[in-house]
Amino acid sequence: DVQLVESGGGLVQPGRSLRLSCTTSGFTFGDYAMSWVRQAPGKGLEWVSFIRGKVYGETTEYAASVKGRFTISRDDSESIAYLQMNSLKTEDTAMYYCIRDPAGGSYWGQGTLVTVSS
Amino acid sequence: DIVMTQTPLSSPVTLGQPASISCRSSQSLVHRDGNTYLSWLQQRPGQPPRVLIYKISNRFSGVPDRFSGSGAGTDFTLRISRVEAEDVGVYYCTQATQFPYTFGQGTKLEIK
Repeated sequence: DVQLVESGGGLVQPGRSLRLSCTTSGFTFGDYAMSWVRQAPGKGLEWVSFIRGKVYGETTEYAASVKGRFTISRDDSESIAYLQMNSLKTEDTAMYYCIRDPAGGSYWGQGTLVTVSS
Repeated sequence: DIVMTQTPLSSPVTLGQPASISCRSSQSLVHRDGNTYLSWLQQRPGQPPRVLIYKISNRFSGVPDRFSGSGAGTDFTLRISRVEAEDVGVYYCTQATQFPYTFGQGTKLEIK
């Protein structure tokens, strides 16, 4: 079974950093692009970031709202995707979901909650 | 950015009756590779989203066949042939043709 498990969320003060992890199993991780999507409390979905597989140079894409502050990466040997979040703002408060292959029949994790507050 | 517009935003439906949700994109979703990366997601209360339909009309693994998708270019539709109680939730269309990926506002499906 395909599984994606996010971790690393929590309460953090504005301006601080947090690293989210997406630990996967049940598929050949290196064969798939990965993405992060977030959902603020009571709101809709917002795409955050994307990373291609090694074959495509592990190139990345970012939403304008996080570009320069967030960094997506992957460790194919451990089947884990990461989202390094720096200079956090209160508006980054959201549930963060990890997604396999967002363009196709994608799998979503259960999410990890990030709360940015003083 | 491609804007995704869903209608209606709220849909009260009688159990056993059909329902449909429309999604319109501000630009064609046909990718240069010839595919159209339009998906439909379902988010039940308190749950993460899950994919129902991808590339316009492909039903994802485990999705009941009462769900179907259609459309082309900029206009797409999700149909539920007979609504069941477990279908309550919010439905989103999303495009993965062009970055930034974008989502519709969501359509809340509720039972009358």
